[in-house]
Amino acid sequence: NAGVTQTPKFQVLKTGQSMTLQCAQDMNHEYMSWYRQDPGMGLRLIHYSVGAGITDQGEVPNGYNVSRSTTEDFPLRLLSAAPSQTSVYFCASSQHLRGTYEQYFGPGTRLTVT
Amino acid sequence: AQRVTQPEKLLSVFKGAPVELKCNYSYSGSPELFWYVQYSRQRLQLLLRHISRESIKGFTADLNKGETSFHLKKPFAQEEDSAMYYCALSGGNRPGAGNMLTFGGGTRLMVKP
Repeated sequence: NAGVTQTPKFQVLKTGQSMTLQCAQDMNHEYMSWYRQDPGMGLRLIHYSVGAGITDQGEVPNGYNVSRSTTEDFPLRLLSAAPSQTSVYFCASSQHLRGTYEQYFGPGTRLTVT
Repeated sequence: AQRVTQPEKLLSVFKGAPVELKCNYSYSGSPELFWYVQYSRQRLQLLLRHISRESIKGFTADLNKGETSFHLKKPFAQEEDSAMYYCALSGGNRPGAGNMLTFGGGTRLMVKP
């Protein structure tokens, strides 16, 4: 199993540009999430999905859209990039195991918005 | 609102010394607490969960509901323990809430030879 994969690994955007960060998992997990990681602030939840066709907002959803058309894929769209969205983005999937959830993280996408 | 606080951004110890990484939380209910670790150039991965009461790589963590803490401890630090450590909490009533994590700001542990 490849686990959770993310593309691209690095991206530089100009303010106002749009793009999609890709995330895929091959573990048949129902739950998938997107987090952003900023220095000193840990990881913050952007959006999450509890299954195909079902998404909801996390702590910091503004400026981002998601969709979940299949179990495997959970892309994150930046509608109009802003410098405040410069961050490292992590996708995660999870399963319910031994009474709790265990999250599996992707390698991350480092995004810079100029 | 739920919140996780890790008061130390950096903790530096010598090899063989005891280590304690502090984590305090606020949550109005019964939370699930976790420790995640990110080694250099590796993915974030689960280290411990409070529900399992296990010891992983010599690390243990006890949930203290009275003090709302979940400190991570190891009696003798090793150089390979150097990494970024995140305390995280999940909980809530929304569907899939157990899947949603609130992270602390992280503590970088440096173990010197």
